[in-house]
Amino acid sequence: AQTVTQSQPEMSVQEAETVTLSCTYDTSESDYYLFWYKQPPSRQMILVIRQEAYKQQNATENRFSVNFQKAAKSFSLKISDSQLGDAAMYFCAYSRGAQKLVFGQGTRLTINP
Amino acid sequence: DTEVTQTPKHLVMGMTNKKSLKCEQHMGHRAMYWYKQKAKKPPELMFVYSYEKLSINESVPSRFSPECPNSSLLNLHLHALQPEDSALYLCASSQDKGTRVQETQYFGPGTRLLVL
Repeated sequence: AQTVTQSQPEMSVQEAETVTLSCTYDTSESDYYLFWYKQPPSRQMILVIRQEAYKQQNATENRFSVNFQKAAKSFSLKISDSQLGDAAMYFCAYSRGAQKLVFGQGTRLTINP
Repeated sequence: DTEVTQTPKHLVMGMTNKKSLKCEQHMGHRAMYWYKQKAKKPPELMFVYSYEKLSINESVPSRFSPECPNSSLLNLHLHALQPEDSALYLCASSQDKGTRVQETQYFGPGTRLLVL
């Protein structure tokens, strides 16, 4: 079965600095999708970024980018120029169709002003 | 702004009550999902509807009864719940084009349920 591991239960960063959240996953498949979701205290799960495994280019969305290392099964999220509104729980998730998302345990990110 | 809405935002119910959670999406998606999320934990999949038919039931107790009246609406009927069922209930939707391609799931804001 596929598993997703987020080894950092909590992270903190100074406002305007850069932070990287780690995620590793285990799969024997070659075609799959990876996601980062953000869940602020308001509790809504918001899609941050998505990566398709067959694409070698790392996905980027404004201040958010990923470092996708397929061979190492690593999918880290880099947040540049951190803002107070970035404070949230971040979940890494894996999917290979079948409508199922496999989530990691989450990383709580705190932004220090 | 979210295009998946959920009502109510909060719900308190006794163990003998019957209540329903409602989810609505306006993105033309054909797959809809119910998740349960306990505090400081990731969401756990409960049910998936695809083209208004139940496609996945993750062995959820029968006191939870899903219903998909049409492609835009998803309900979760609750009856005889237990205090341990207290959680955040999230609804999500995705396009579901019927291919192997994973469709991105978009979540609603959730209903916070407390069972007394």
